[in-house]
Amino acid sequence: GQQLNQSPQSMFIQEGEDVSMNCTSSSIFNTWLWYKQEPGEGPVLLIALYKAGELTSNGRLTAQFGITRKDSFLNISASIPSDVGIYFCAGRQGGSEKLVFGKGTKLTVNP
Amino acid sequence: NAGVTQTPKFRILKIGQSMTLQCAQDMNHNYMYWYRQDPGMGLKLIYYSVGAGITDKGEVPNGYNVSRSTTEDFPLRLELAAPSQTSVYFCASSYSDTNFYGYTFGSGTRLTVV
Repeated sequence: GQQLNQSPQSMFIQEGEDVSMNCTSSSIFNTWLWYKQEPGEGPVLLIALYKAGELTSNGRLTAQFGITRKDSFLNISASIPSDVGIYFCAGRQGGSEKLVFGKGTKLTVNP
Repeated sequence: NAGVTQTPKFRILKIGQSMTLQCAQDMNHNYMYWYRQDPGMGLKLIYYSVGAGITDKGEVPNGYNVSRSTTEDFPLRLELAAPSQTSVYFCASSYSDTNFYGYTFGSGTRLTVV
């Protein structure tokens, strides 16, 4: 099936550092979403992107829909301990309701 | 507004036993999904439903069954549990009009088969 290549697989950073992660595919997507999963919980939607080139922020989080429509990026500025979790990208093609998920980026923030 | 509710939160099954994982949503979403999550492997789609009475297989349906008799409920049935079904199971729901708003996930059921 379809796959999204998400990198890095894990990150260990110091509090206050900025974080970047990305998701790429060989296929075109018309919607990109970024989710965060905290331990013992389900993923929660952070940002949804609907147009190529779109740049959207949610507090310290900024995500971009790549121009080629085959990639997306998530940046977290000035990380804090509560940013810890697994971040998933997800893409939607055409009119399908089914999402394709990346394997996640596990973020650890050291105080 | 409860969103997507999954029960139970945890369960230990013996090999060969069966069980039903419950999922209910109160947002009047027409689409519902079951995923399993294994460490480092992301989310894999088991089954999904586009509305009451309609279900379809996802990526990893073997060993599972679903039904959708109402808009609100989408139970996942495991028959003859196997150790390979040890995983965390997430139910999700969605709807879309001219926009797509993504999925709302439940908090998961952690299942161990011993």
